[in-house]
Amino acid sequence: DAGVIQSPRHEVTEMGQEVTLRCKPISGHDYLFWYRQTMMRGLELLIYFNNNVPIDDSGMPEDRFSAKMPNASFSTLKIQPSEPRDSAVYFCASRRLNTEAFFGQGTRLTVV
Amino acid sequence: AQSVTQPDIHITVSEGASLELRCNYSYGATPYLFWYVQSPGQGLQLLLKYFSGDTLVQGIKGFEAEFKRSQSSFNLRKPSVHWSDAAEYFCAVVSFSGGYNKLIFGAGTRLAVHP
Repeated sequence: DAGVIQSPRHEVTEMGQEVTLRCKPISGHDYLFWYRQTMMRGLELLIYFNNNVPIDDSGMPEDRFSAKMPNASFSTLKIQPSEPRDSAVYFCASRRLNTEAFFGQGTRLTVV
Repeated sequence: AQSVTQPDIHITVSEGASLELRCNYSYGATPYLFWYVQSPGQGLQLLLKYFSGDTLVQGIKGFEAEFKRSQSSFNLRKPSVHWSDAAEYFCAVVSFSGGYNKLIFGAGTRLAVHP
C-alpha cells in the first residue's frame, strides 16, 4: 500500500479564497483523522470519521471549516473563506480499530 | 476529559548520552499508548506502541518505552542517542469515547543532539 496520500503538499492562497485539502486513506482503514499543526498550538485534532461518518468535529475551529468523506477512499477538508491565521500544516491519518494511526506527509497551507 | 502531558518542551543531549522523554496521560482505564517521531518537514512515524501485556515495549531505532499504570506514565528511552535522533517526539493515547477511538496527542518534545 502507498500509505496515506495527501494533496497538495503545498498550497499558497490569498485571503478570502476557498481551499480544499485532499486525503486518500490506507485501504481497509475505517478511521480517518484530520489534524492541524502549528508552532503555537501543536497538533490539534480537527475532526475524525468512522466508516465515513463524522464522529467528533469539536476541534473544527470555525464554521469556515468543513470536512467530508463521501466514500472509504477519499476525504476533503475545506476552508472557505481562508484567513492568514489558517496557515499551518494539515495532516490526515488513518487507522483500523485498535491499531496505530498512519500519517500522510501533510499539506503546508500558507494564506497571504 | 482524556489528556496527554509531555512536560518537557525542549531537551538537549550530547551524542552517545542516554535519553528519557516523559509522558503522562489522564485516562480511567488502560489506554492504548503510542510514541511517534516527526523529522522536519515530514509526517509522523510510529516508534512504538503499547496495547497490553509486557509493560516494556521495544520500538524502532533502538527506542523503548515502559508503561507504568501506578504513575500513569509511558516514558520513552534510548540508551545512546545518535545525531540523527534529533526530531520532535509525540506521545499519544487512544481515548475510547462512546465506543469510538479518538487519538489524542501531547504537545511534543523537541530533541536537540549536540555532537
